[in-house]
Amino acid sequence: EADIYQTPRYLVIGTGKKITLECSQTMGHDKMYWYQQDPGMELHLIHYSYGVNSTEKGDLSSESTVSRIRTEHFPLTLESARPSHTSQYLCASSAPGTGGARYGYTFGSGTRLTVV
Amino acid sequence: AQSVAQPEDQVNVAEGNPLTVKCTYSVSGNPYLFWYVQYPNRGLQFLLKYITGDNLVKGSYGFEAEFNKSQTSFHLKKPSALVSDSALYFCAVRVPRDDKIIFGKGTRLHILP
Repeated sequence: EADIYQTPRYLVIGTGKKITLECSQTMGHDKMYWYQQDPGMELHLIHYSYGVNSTEKGDLSSESTVSRIRTEHFPLTLESARPSHTSQYLCASSAPGTGGARYGYTFGSGTRLTVV
Repeated sequence: AQSVAQPEDQVNVAEGNPLTVKCTYSVSGNPYLFWYVQYPNRGLQFLLKYITGDNLVKGSYGFEAEFNKSQTSFHLKKPSALVSDSALYFCAVRVPRDDKIIFGKGTRLHILP
């Protein structure tokens, strides 16, 4: 079944550790996105990619980095985690072209990160 | 600049009563409009969308939304609220030539038993 997967669902990690949040989709979507969502509410776009070897920073500045070596995979990395990185991270994907705009985004279940 | 506004941070409704979650938008061109729902510790789930055609669109879980071009609104509605409808609701807009969706700040819907 086509879907978008995020792992881990929950992660508690110590300050200074390097972490990678995984996001994979099986829908063949070329566009992928990372959002940061603090408790409560608003979504903030931190990274996006329109295809392999294409990555861009989003509207909210983030110390994280991303890579897009394969269409289906869009991992997010924090080189040195800090308590200020504690948040929920949501990955999403979108079908290609203007036709894809009709279908919105498909979201993963999210990773809730706690840095202690 | 394109934007989406959800004027209410929280909406409280008694179970069985009709509910409305408000959304207004500002875009250049004809928008694609979406509603998403988020349950605790989950990602966003698609509820419904307006692309073209009938201004009243029906979606999942008995929700519907009405596109009003003159008022640039896309309010989410349900005739009879359930406690299980309690969640966070996001309105979103996309312009066909753009690749990004713009989300509102979200409205927390609390259905009182």
